[in-house]
Amino acid sequence: GEDVEQSLFLSVREGDSSVINCTYTDSSSTYLYWYKQEPGAGLQLLTYIFSNMDMKQDQRLTVLLNKKDKHLSLRIADTQTGDSAIYFCAESTNDYKLSFGAGTTVTVRA
Amino acid sequence: DAGITQSPRHKVTETGTPVTLRCHQTENHRYMYWYRQDPGHGLRLIHYSYGVKDTDKGEVSDGYSVSRSKTEDFLLTLESATSSQTSVYFCATRGPIGGSQETQYFGPGTRLLVL
Repeated sequence: GEDVEQSLFLSVREGDSSVINCTYTDSSSTYLYWYKQEPGAGLQLLTYIFSNMDMKQDQRLTVLLNKKDKHLSLRIADTQTGDSAIYFCAESTNDYKLSFGAGTTVTVRA
Repeated sequence: DAGITQSPRHKVTETGTPVTLRCHQTENHRYMYWYRQDPGHGLRLIHYSYGVKDTDKGEVSDGYSVSRSKTEDFLLTLESATSSQTSVYFCATRGPIGGSQETQYFGPGTRLLVL
């Protein structure tokens, strides 16, 4: 996980936007991913972006990729209590393995 | 996720005993992975498989072995469990479950406690 870094905690008010940031080091990354983990559960794939894209939108989720700075972000619009979870950023290179960040715990407060 | 199951889901064992965790997939995916999850470390790759009888080490493979005798099953063995192997273990497969070839999908996890 040292190749992928994320802030550990984020607190956001219900209805506001959440932005979770991630930096990675491998310039040969092909795909970058966001996973969500709810308490006691496995990892759920939220979205992913190919390295030649700079933005991807999927309903309330927007992924931004700055390849020059090796920076990835996930924006969740209109954050709800059900969005409280741990969010993992991960990168994939040509060998089909994923490297994960330590995870960002998002807490949504009323 | 629907196509990946892990057994057992919970296990308590004693130091020095062998433990085998099983991952079973029904999606006919070529690639399978074992990760462990520990606080502050995210998920770290233990071993992975790129086909039947084809396996390779990940970043934290010491103390673990794997076997894949058929496409659908990937076994993780702790030959002699230690307390440092207390963790949550996740299996993953790679393939097109409603997505592209580049996505990994995870099983529900196995919580292992080594006393």
